[in-house]
Amino acid sequence: EAQVTQNPRYLITVTGKKLTVTCSQNMNHEYMSWYRQDPGLGLRQIYYSMNVEVTDKGDVPEGYKVSRKEKRNFPLILESPSPNQTSLYFCASRRSTGTGHGEQFFGPGTRLTVL
Amino acid sequence: SQQGEEDPQALSIQEGENATMNCSYKTSINNLQWYRQNSGRGLVHLILIRSNEREKHSGRLRVTLDTSKKSSSLLITASRAADTASYFCATKTGGSYIPTFGRGTSLIVHP
Repeated sequence: EAQVTQNPRYLITVTGKKLTVTCSQNMNHEYMSWYRQDPGLGLRQIYYSMNVEVTDKGDVPEGYKVSRKEKRNFPLILESPSPNQTSLYFCASRRSTGTGHGEQFFGPGTRLTVL
Repeated sequence: SQQGEEDPQALSIQEGENATMNCSYKTSINNLQWYRQNSGRGLVHLILIRSNEREKHSGRLRVTLDTSKKSSSLLITASRAADTASYFCATKTGGSYIPTFGRGTSLIVHP
């Protein structure tokens, strides 16, 4: 089954304790991205990747890191989480179509609480 | 930067009625997509309309695009309680790799 998976689905942690949220897709998609969703703000882009070893900042990259060492995986790293990073996080992937017309496939979300 | 903005923010209707939500955006786009999100779950792609298209249908969904007004509408006909969800428009410009989402419209369909 074609899907995007994220782990963990729920995480409660404390300020300053490094964490990684994993994202994996099995559709051989070139593009992958991370969003955070907050009430009243919709989805905001954190980082995206066009292919292996190619990443770029989205609209709200501060406090986050990413890496793309393999095509299928795109982990989100919070080196020193803070309470303002409490949010619902989504990973998404998309095929490179050449025309730019392609739907995004979303993971189920990771609900992060930083105390 | 949020390109698309949905309107209304919230919509409450009875089962069987039609639901219309709108999306306005600021700059020229390559395509516009609509997604649905059930509470706390991942987004699901509904329909994509390209900048050179004016209308598309998919089942009970009808999407229109007016590039002169920089706006799109999503119409759900004969709504069902299962249509209760948040609906987002996402716009993609020619220079971007991934689309930008609006804040969404929360739709409640009462049985």
